[in-house]
Amino acid sequence: QQQVKQSPQSLIVQKGGIPIINCAYENTAFDYFPWYQQFPGKGPALLIAIRPDVSEKKEGRFTISFNKSAKQFSLHIMDSQPGDSATYFCAAGGSSNTGKLIFGQGTTLQVKP
Amino acid sequence: NAGVMQNPRHLVRRRGQEARLRCSPMKGHSHVYWYRQLPEEGLKFMVYLQKENIIDESGMPKERFSAEFPKEGPSILRIQQVVRGDSAAYFCASSPTSENTGELFFGEGSRLTVL
Repeated sequence: QQQVKQSPQSLIVQKGGIPIINCAYENTAFDYFPWYQQFPGKGPALLIAIRPDVSEKKEGRFTISFNKSAKQFSLHIMDSQPGDSATYFCAAGGSSNTGKLIFGQGTTLQVKP
Repeated sequence: NAGVMQNPRHLVRRRGQEARLRCSPMKGHSHVYWYRQLPEEGLKFMVYLQKENIIDESGMPKERFSAEFPKEGPSILRIQQVVRGDSAAYFCASSPTSENTGELFFGEGSRLTVL
């Protein structure tokens, strides 16, 4: 119930490609779905987040698509750049969840020049 | 405006020793979360604290691990009698509210190696 499943585990794309990372959850009490980006040796940093009342959110080259009925959400990176190479984590939380976030297993993205 | 400060960044301990990891939240933040990241794995929730109170410790191992967030000073994650399986990166995050806007601000982590 508290799990968030993320795929793929790793992803390699060419510069300009559109990597897509998928996440699925089970707990319908979740009402907040952020994505975090982590560079090696650093802490995770919030990238973009969505709530279930919208199906899509864009911030710059990053887009979250949200499918409430399927309990799935995904991150798309448009026109990917080598600087986007990092590990990406989806997460889920809820107002009844004491503020903690449940994280997916992470996706290591490599964008080749 | 300093971010979440964690120290030490790297800590090496021998089996059976104690490890103390410290976290100073961002200014104005009174909610602190500790997460553990094992190699090639995601972030696992350990404990959520407010000043002088443990709110949710559902992710803490039942033995050897403890956490506190005193009225004055940093939050501390304490691991007694460390074992090799405790080797991991421990991240602290803070937020100004528990309303779960989702934005947790993470520190750069403390990397514990148990020999």
